[in-house]
Amino acid sequence: DGGITQSPKYLFRKEGQNVTLSCEQNLNHDAMYWYRQDPGQGLRLIYYSQIVNDFQKGDIAEGYSVSREKKESFPLTVTSAQKNPTAFYLCASSTGLAGDTQYFGPGTRLTVL
Amino acid sequence: AQKITQTQPGMFVQEKEAVTLDCTYDTSDQSYGLFWYKQPSSGEMIFLIYQGSYDEQNATEGRYSLNFQKARKSANLVISASQLGDSAMYFCAMREAYNNNDMRFGAGTRLTVKP
Repeated sequence: DGGITQSPKYLFRKEGQNVTLSCEQNLNHDAMYWYRQDPGQGLRLIYYSQIVNDFQKGDIAEGYSVSREKKESFPLTVTSAQKNPTAFYLCASSTGLAGDTQYFGPGTRLTVL
Repeated sequence: AQKITQTQPGMFVQEKEAVTLDCTYDTSDQSYGLFWYKQPSSGEMIFLIYQGSYDEQNATEGRYSLNFQKARKSANLVISASQLGDSAMYFCAMREAYNNNDMRFGAGTRLTVKP
């Protein structure tokens, strides 16, 4: 089945550690996105990538890094520089064409201990 | 800057009745798209319905319809014949055509369907 997978579903991190969240899609989509969701709030864009080997910062990129070495994969690293990383992280993809819908993965819930 | 407002933090509806979830938006662009997503307790964002700013007819998808009033900049979601499984968070989102990668989300409305 076509879709977006994220792993792990739950992730615990000690302060000062970097962690990497996985996002894979087999929809043949060019564009991929990372969002952060805090309790009771909507989604905020962290990074997006329109094509392999290219990515752009969103509204809240500080303390995060990404790579896009393959079309199918868009991993997100939460670095120790991110002051408040506990949140729900959602990955999405789309064709990148105007008006196209973004489709989301199941999310990763990150908790800093 | 774009802004999406959902003024109803929580809504209740009786099973089998219809419910309207409000969404207003702010943009100076003439070309944009409006989206509604459902987020059940599992966390995944499920796409429900899309309306383009130049679409003359309101979008419909099964039990979901979008009441698009362009002059008032509102894009309310109507769910007909509510089911218990409709209980979830609902998010309105907008994307302007000039920046296809910048989708803005409202704060969401929690819908609870009562049996």
